[in-house]
Amino acid sequence: DQQVKQNSPSLSVQEGRISILNCDYTNSMFDYFLWYKKYPAEGPTFLISISSIKDKNEDGRFTVFLNKSAKHLSLHIVPSQPGDSAVYFCAASNSGGSNYKLTFGKGTLLTVNP
Amino acid sequence: GAGVSQSPSNKVTEKGKDVELRCDPISGHTALYWYRQSLGQGLEFLIYFQGNSAPDKSGLPSDRFSAERTGGSVSTLTIQRTQQEDSAVYLCASSLNTQMNTEAFFGQGTRLTVV
Repeated sequence: DQQVKQNSPSLSVQEGRISILNCDYTNSMFDYFLWYKKYPAEGPTFLISISSIKDKNEDGRFTVFLNKSAKHLSLHIVPSQPGDSAVYFCAASNSGGSNYKLTFGKGTLLTVNP
Repeated sequence: GAGVSQSPSNKVTEKGKDVELRCDPISGHTALYWYRQSLGQGLEFLIYFQGNSAPDKSGLPSDRFSAERTGGSVSTLTIQRTQQEDSAVYLCASSLNTQMNTEAFFGQGTRLTVV
């Protein structure tokens, strides 16, 4: 039973365009969401997060949107750059429970073409 | 070191053998986590250590898996009688406190292949 789903295994965009990565979750107890970026042969690195009390969080070229009623979040990268090419993982936690225990999606491989 | 260090980076072992994976967290980080990523899957929580508290072992998939953290620093994950389904990348992370967000840093992982 996958509680965090990233239904697109891969996404390809042109440099300068917007990349939109999607994530859906089923557990209504999740109230904190994170995106991690992973390059080959490296560990994941934290990118951006959002609490369920917000519907948007922006950090430079990266914006995460949260739609609680739809249990859906998305990561927007504008403008996309070739260095953004990596696997992006969506993760969720329940801050009222074991907030250190993250549930991850399977990841989306983003390729940004020059 | 500057980051979380894991060793070995790659390990190939025969089915039925025991393996030990090592994690050196960032100095001063009290929280340490083990996750694993099987082929085509997301990261799966295994175990969590926080200071001198009892670890949360709820993610360990079977009693063949165990982990310890000596002196609140280095951690070893041991898999006994390895099976082919244990093949995965095992990732360690550490953080200053219990917040698994900006403060948590992952190592590069150990790729375990059981043949």
